[in-house]
Amino acid sequence: NAGVTQTPKFQVLKTGQSMTLQCAQDMNHEYMSWYRQDPGMGLRLIHYSVGAGITDQGEVPNGYNVSRSTTEDFPLRLLSAAPSQTSVYFCASSSPRTGSSYEQYFGPGTRLTVT
Amino acid sequence: GQNIDQPTEMTATEGAIVQINCTYQTSGFNGLFWYQQHAGEAPTFLSYNVLDGLEEKGRFSSFLSRSKGYSYLLLKELQMKDSASYLCAVPQPGGSTLGRLYFGRGTQLTVWP
Repeated sequence: NAGVTQTPKFQVLKTGQSMTLQCAQDMNHEYMSWYRQDPGMGLRLIHYSVGAGITDQGEVPNGYNVSRSTTEDFPLRLLSAAPSQTSVYFCASSSPRTGSSYEQYFGPGTRLTVT
Repeated sequence: GQNIDQPTEMTATEGAIVQINCTYQTSGFNGLFWYQQHAGEAPTFLSYNVLDGLEEKGRFSSFLSRSKGYSYLLLKELQMKDSASYLCAVPQPGGSTLGRLYFGRGTQLTVWP
């Protein structure tokens, strides 16, 4: 099991460029989420999904799109990058079938810099 | 709305005990999580409390008081590798416990030899 994988690990974008952050999990988890983490701010939820074809917004969705065409993949799209989107992005997955702990499994993160 | 308060930084000595506090405000309480995050790495799950009381898991214990909106993480026999950020989180209201967490800003613990 690879768990949750994210690509790329590092990315530098210019203002206005678009890109897709990839996230995949091989644990057959129904729930997937995207968070961003900024210094001193903790993790903030961007978008989440409770299953293929179902997505919803989190706390800070503006400037980001998601889709969930398969159980395994949950890509995050930056439509027109802005310096305020410089952050570390974490993808996470979880499942009610893993027992009562409701643990979320996090990917290693993508460190994005927008200049 | 939701709010989580936890100290920004704490220091302790190897072998000691440290208690990291977390106070929270949320509508429709549905449990409280603690995660550990080493610098440059992803958060990893430590504990989930939904009932009042203390839950022990090796050197780590987590306590919850729902009436006081209060939790703490207790780390015993501190080791250098326990130097990390400790994140308190609650599920966001209106949905499943899973996948929608509201995190505090984290407590950076430094363990000195």
